[in-house]
Amino acid sequence: GAVVSQHPSRVICKSGTSVKIECRSLDFQATTMFWYRQFPKKSLMLMATSNEGSKATYEQGVEKDKFLINHASLTLSTLTVTSAHPEDSSFYICSARGTGGLTEAFFGQGTRLTVV
Amino acid sequence: DAKTTQPPSMDCAEGRAANLPCNHSTISGNEYVYWYRQIHSQGPQYIIHGLKNNETNEMASLIITEDRKSSTLILPHATLRDTAVYYCIVRVGNRDDKIIFGKGTRLHILP
Repeated sequence: GAVVSQHPSRVICKSGTSVKIECRSLDFQATTMFWYRQFPKKSLMLMATSNEGSKATYEQGVEKDKFLINHASLTLSTLTVTSAHPEDSSFYICSARGTGGLTEAFFGQGTRLTVV
Repeated sequence: DAKTTQPPSMDCAEGRAANLPCNHSTISGNEYVYWYRQIHSQGPQYIIHGLKNNETNEMASLIITEDRKSSTLILPHATLRDTAVYYCIVRVGNRDDKIIFGKGTRLHILP
């Protein structure tokens, strides 16, 4: 299957700082990318959907000013957690869907964010 | 909201077939049944999907009932590496739909 890479895989940051997570589709062009967060022993929760070149669509209850999403190219989307707090500590996962007839979505390996 | 119901956990002996059920009684005619799994601390992995016919690939088989209200994912010879949370999801399967995860089934493969 297609490969989606997230970076970093783990990050620790101080409260009040911002952290950026990258999601890249390595061998296909991703017109749509999805961002999820997952708390321990819980399921994935969809945060937002981004389409290349347009603004992201956020799910209800997700603060768009806190979780900035940029999908500037067909192979890269970024999630920036601004002014991070300990409650933002979570596992963040991206998913990418390709162009044309490719309707399947492929997932990154996830990023473990710890805010101290 | 997830449109599927799965048992929260299951056990299966190593080497035996693991049969994971999923109920999707409100599935629409144009919705597919997708299965993903998530091994601990990794991103989800696509397994298989189907519309109404049974499907098989190198990882698993998918059996969908004739009324399409339920399905079963079969891992024919489970190994310890199959220990994961398995998610059954119904979706239209086009480029615009979202993938909404339910609680899934935590499968334990017992040595």
